[in-house]
Amino acid sequence: TQLLEQSPQFLSIQEGENLTVYCNSSSVFSSLQWYRQEPGEGPVLLVTVVTGGEVKKLKRLTFQFGDARKDSSLHITAAQPGDTGLYLCAGGGSGTYKYIFGTGTRLKVLA
Amino acid sequence: NAGVTQTPKFQVLKTGQSMTLQCAQDMNHNSMYWYRQDPGMGLRLIYYSASEGTTDKGEVPNGYNVSRLNKREFSLRLESAAPSQTSVYFCASSELSRTNYGYTFGSGTRLTVV
Repeated sequence: TQLLEQSPQFLSIQEGENLTVYCNSSSVFSSLQWYRQEPGEGPVLLVTVVTGGEVKKLKRLTFQFGDARKDSSLHITAAQPGDTGLYLCAGGGSGTYKYIFGTGTRLKVLA
Repeated sequence: NAGVTQTPKFQVLKTGQSMTLQCAQDMNHNSMYWYRQDPGMGLRLIYYSASEGTTDKGEVPNGYNVSRLNKREFSLRLESAAPSQTSVYFCASSELSRTNYGYTFGSGTRLTVV
């Protein structure tokens, strides 16, 4: 059974601070996605990474896929209250139609 | 575009009652999914439909049935609801034949079984 572990589970920081959240597995994934979910809504896709070592940037968010394609990280620079939410990673295998989700990191950015 | 539409948004059932959760997407996606989300458990796949006419079990299928009515619609049925099925249910769709495509989720159905 493929599992994705996310850390930390909870994170509360002040506006302007930097942070990194992690997504780790013992399994290899052909691609990995990051989502953000706000209360009362469904998750919204932020990025998909498919190549080992790949780095993608989305404004103040930087996503990295591990060289071995077993782990990923999300770094937020100068966090803002609008970044508050539940961050989920999801991994998929080659040729699969379904993704496995991690348990999430709940981020709160205080003004 | 509406994206993925789920109905109802909230529902309270008594143990043993049945109900169907409806989901429709207007993005012409081939694949559709039902997930449940519980505190500390993340999103767990109940059933999925890779394409119209096919359905497959996910991680937690017991107590549920699904119907892929057509390319747009994918319903989830609880035949005899149990308190353990209290959860938030999300429908999603995707075009995963394109590697970089992710899921588009609906806004969820919050179900309470008493």
